Amino acid sequence: DGGITQSPKYLFRKEGQNVTLSCEQNLNHDAMYWYRQDPGQGLRLIYYSQIVNDFQKGDIAEGYSVSREKKESFPLTVTSAQKNPTAFYLCASSPARAAYGYTFGSGTRLTVV
Amino acid sequence: QKEVEQNSGPLSVPEGAIASLNCTYSDRGSQSFFWYRQYSGKSPELIMFIYSNGDKEDGRFTAQLNKASQYVSLLIRDSQPSDSATYLCAVFQSARQLTFGSGTQLTVLP
Repeated sequence: DGGITQSPKYLFRKEGQNVTLSCEQNLNHDAMYWYRQDPGQGLRLIYYSQIVNDFQKGDIAEGYSVSREKKESFPLTVTSAQKNPTAFYLCASSPARAAYGYTFGSGTRLTVV
Repeated sequence: QKEVEQNSGPLSVPEGAIASLNCTYSDRGSQSFFWYRQYSGKSPELIMFIYSNGDKEDGRFTAQLNKASQYVSLLIRDSQPSDSATYLCAVFQSARQLTFGSGTQLTVLP
């Protein structure tokens, strides 16, 4: 079955450490997105990519980095520059036009220890 | 002014009642509108989408769109405790991605 797989489900980061969140899709979608959600809050866009080897900053890109080397994969790195990374991270994908809506992965919950 | 606004709630309704969730948006060029349901600790799942003015029904759910007034609503008939969740409104505007509201928390009381 087609879908989006995020891993790990839970991730713990030490102060000053970089961590990478995985996102893989087999829906043949062109576009992929990363969102951050804090408790009781809506979704905030971190980065998005419309095609391979191209990506754009969202509203809160500082302290994060991404790559899009393959159509199926869009990993997110949370760097040590992100001072408050504890949140629920959601990856999504869509056909070329987001007008048809997103499919979301199951999310990664990141906690700083 | 936020681009997509929702009442944050919480909204409580008794079991069997109609729950009404509302969303307004700022961009008159918006083309498509989505309602996602998110259970606590889970990812959002798409439950309704609408492109044209008027009503769209799917089971107990009805989405209503009024482009002239720039609002979209979701009605849940015969509400069940399993409908208790946060409902996110999302709008495809002129940008390349969806813009989300902050969500309305719904509680259906048994």
